[in-house]
Amino acid sequence: DAGVIQSPRHEVTEMGQEVTLRCKPISGHDYLFWYRQTMMRGLELLIYFNNNVPIDDSGMPEDRFSAKMPNASFSTLKIQPSEPRDSAVYFCASSYLTSGISTDTQYFGPGTRLTVL
Amino acid sequence: DQQVKQNSPSLSVQEGRISILNCDYTNSMFDYFLWYKKYPAEGPTFLISISSIKDKNEDGRFTVFLNKSAKHLSLHIVPSQPGDSAVYFCAASAQGGANNLFFGTGTRLTVIP
Repeated sequence: DAGVIQSPRHEVTEMGQEVTLRCKPISGHDYLFWYRQTMMRGLELLIYFNNNVPIDDSGMPEDRFSAKMPNASFSTLKIQPSEPRDSAVYFCASSYLTSGISTDTQYFGPGTRLTVL
Repeated sequence: DQQVKQNSPSLSVQEGRISILNCDYTNSMFDYFLWYKKYPAEGPTFLISISSIKDKNEDGRFTVFLNKSAKHLSLHIVPSQPGDSAVYFCAASAQGGANNLFFGTGTRLTVIP
């Protein structure tokens, strides 16, 4: 299995521009998570989906952030307009549910390093 | 408000010695705890977990201890190896599984050969 795939790996953009981050979860996984990593706050959960449906988006910082999961194999995280304080590493992770109990772990992608100038 | 705290941003240990990484949490509803390891330019990878019904879980060189009364857990690595050098994240969940995880800020472990 290729694992969780994220693109791009690095993104540099200017303030005010739209940024779209992409994620392909592991095939067969029914949960997908978006995280943001910063030095000050560590890994923060932004939003997660179950069977393509957003379950909890309480971590999304503001309306500039939006996430979609049009099908089981693809998700996007969009920031519009981007600001310098959005600079961080964004991770996507996936997991699967068996017998009503989630698995031991989430599987993370390599992350997208976003720099907003 | 950080519900999971790793107060030591870094730790250096000699190869062969024990590494002890600490984690504190504030939410008494947390019932499942995990440790992840992260190398540069990679995503975190699962290392070991523990349910609140246990106070210890061991996997090879890695042991996690849970002290529910103190809301504290620790990861012991014995013996430490240079390949263990990475950032270690503690995470907790209130749903008995790996969804809706709250992460700490991480501790960078350096194992000196």
